[in-house]
Amino acid sequence: DAGITQSPRHKVTETGTPVTLRCHQTENHRYMYWYRQDPGHGLRLIHYSYGVKDTDKGEVSDGYSVSRSKTEDFLLTLESATSSQTSVYFCAISVRGMNTEAFFGQGTRLTVV
Amino acid sequence: GESVGLHLPTLSVQEGDNSIINCAYSNSASDYFIWYKQESGKGPQFIIDIRSNMDKRQGQRVTVLLNKTVKHLSLQIAATQPGDSAVYFCAETGLLANNDMRFGAGTRLTVKP
Repeated sequence: DAGITQSPRHKVTETGTPVTLRCHQTENHRYMYWYRQDPGHGLRLIHYSYGVKDTDKGEVSDGYSVSRSKTEDFLLTLESATSSQTSVYFCAISVRGMNTEAFFGQGTRLTVV
Repeated sequence: GESVGLHLPTLSVQEGDNSIINCAYSNSASDYFIWYKQESGKGPQFIIDIRSNMDKRQGQRVTVLLNKTVKHLSLQIAATQPGDSAVYFCAETGLLANNDMRFGAGTRLTVKP
């Protein structure tokens, strides 16, 4: 899977708790992305990064923050998880941005109860 | 608002037949399109892409057709195999928003033996 590892793969958490999802790549790609996937919505971009410490918001960024202190790691944080954030989260990487081929991780299934 | 969508949510074909999966888009600024395949429990996998200066592109057993006049994209799979069973997403992006790739909701392809 193109050297992308997401952790954890599954998580159940309670409403109001903070949650951090990790994406680790071994490809040294510049661009990294976090998407969420929900039935009927396809994949929607949460945040993306175009370099170390360079991040920007996507379509559904409210309630999420990200950090990228190293090329290989992109963290997604839910500061105070809500039930609406129950979803499957995918990390993706690309060499030159989303107008080129992107490689996706296996996904993290997050359930907020 | 402008969106990427799919004509059919499900498609069932016999093994060996050709499959055609359709996608409509409405953003005239989009200039890059990708088809992704997602198998159960996995992340999306790049299949084929096409830029707006082309109307057809072929890969191994797959062909993507782009009709800019009617803003329509299709994925043709020749001699469909059981391993082709998956959810297929079309996605679009543009020069001005090359990090905001929008995905359709997906079409589930089932191949019957």
